[in-house]
Amino acid sequence: QKEVEQDPGPLSVPEGAIVSLNCTYSNSAFQYFMWYRQYSRKGPELLMYTYSSGNKEDGRFTAQVDKSSKYISLFIRDSQPSDSATYLCAMTSGIQGAQKLVFGQGTRLTINP
Amino acid sequence: DSGVTQTPKHLITATGQRVTLRCSPRSGDLSVYWYQQSLDQGLQFLIQYYNGEERAKGNILERFSAQQFPDLHSELNLSSLELGDSALYFCASSVGQGFNQPQHFGDGTRLSIL
Repeated sequence: QKEVEQDPGPLSVPEGAIVSLNCTYSNSAFQYFMWYRQYSRKGPELLMYTYSSGNKEDGRFTAQVDKSSKYISLFIRDSQPSDSATYLCAMTSGIQGAQKLVFGQGTRLTINP
Repeated sequence: DSGVTQTPKHLITATGQRVTLRCSPRSGDLSVYWYQQSLDQGLQFLIQYYNGEERAKGNILERFSAQQFPDLHSELNLSSLELGDSALYFCASSVGQGFNQPQHFGDGTRLSIL
């Protein structure tokens, strides 16, 4: 079983829809959670960074962490065609010597005008 | 633009050969990370250097090696190349050495083994 599971999609929604992207994980030591956006032929770009549980909002993006369920989500409101990309969740424990950044497989998202 | 520069963008070579990928981190960043991205394995961590010293190792093959130079740029050397080494190789950088630090990625080197 992989440490981080992410539905690869693809996911296709109409412009203006609310998008929900999700990851589950098995390592209870994970405390730092990130979402990266990757456009075709580009490197991953850090979108959201959260520590421990709770919500964090940045414009149209909301990151949610539920450590009790080992589940994280990224919500995109009022989705735009420019949001079409692959979204990768990533997480780490932050424990020196036992840490690395573990990525999900990525979800390919298309927003249709 | 992340500020991380990777060269070359594309590399085509044959099995058994050796290649060197280069990465210049963002100004002020001391950590460099190397990742391999393939369709079936996703983004896999290979190795981290911090201020010239190796800090963490991931799923890096013995045929692969890396180093970070005094000017903080890094090189990833891949030798005895096999077809399965075809992938995107990304470099990322961060200010500190912890994996909880935000990492900023370059646009990668696409390696094709024929």
